[in-house]
Amino acid sequence: QLQLQESGPGLVKPSQTLSLTCTVSGGSISSSDYYWTWIRQPPGKGLEWIGYIYYSENTNYTPSLRSRVSISADTSKNQFSLKLSSVTAADTAVYYCARYSLRHYGELDYWGQGTLVTVSS
Amino acid sequence: DIQMTQSPSSLSASVGDRVTITCRASQSISSYLHWYQQKPGKAPKLLIYAASSLQGGVPSRFSGSGSGTDFTLTISSLQPEDSATYYCQQSSSAPWTFGQGTKVEIK
Repeated sequence: QLQLQESGPGLVKPSQTLSLTCTVSGGSISSSDYYWTWIRQPPGKGLEWIGYIYYSENTNYTPSLRSRVSISADTSKNQFSLKLSSVTAADTAVYYCARYSLRHYGELDYWGQGTLVTVSS
Repeated sequence: DIQMTQSPSSLSASVGDRVTITCRASQSISSYLHWYQQKPGKAPKLLIYAASSLQGGVPSRFSGSGSGTDFTLTISSLQPEDSATYYCQQSSSAPWTFGQGTKVEIK
């Protein structure tokens, strides 16, 4: 059974860089059938796709965050990571990692439990 | 960006009721439409993919329909455990976008 687990600091100061890691077990992030994705949800609000990585090096980001976001992968650890620079209070959210399946129509079929990141001094 | 609009934003229904949630895309997305259920404090869970295909392990009272720009999620007989927020999401073109959510409450 595939499992995804987010990890990283729960508190980040304004203007600093948010860094999170998603550890995948029960499947390989090197698979050509999947994109590995980050999504966030501000408290009490809806879901926002941040970006994905596939083949461990190809990335795509949402335009509104493109200047501040970076997603990378470490295949030796079966992990992928998110970096978001110059954070503000508006970046406070629960951050989820998820698997996007290319086998059908691009659904997000497995999700991590999510981790709350608060931006505050 | 493709805008996804759900209606209603919230609803209250009784156990056993038939519940319908709609999702409209700002341009055609073929069948690249998926539905998720989210309970408080939990990650979203995939219910329906490709507009009408039931994800494994999801009860058969959930169904989806539609193509192009108009889609529907139906719960045929609402159960207490269906109290949640439901989101649609398009994967036709990046950036992938979600509807604003529909909160379903049990009367």
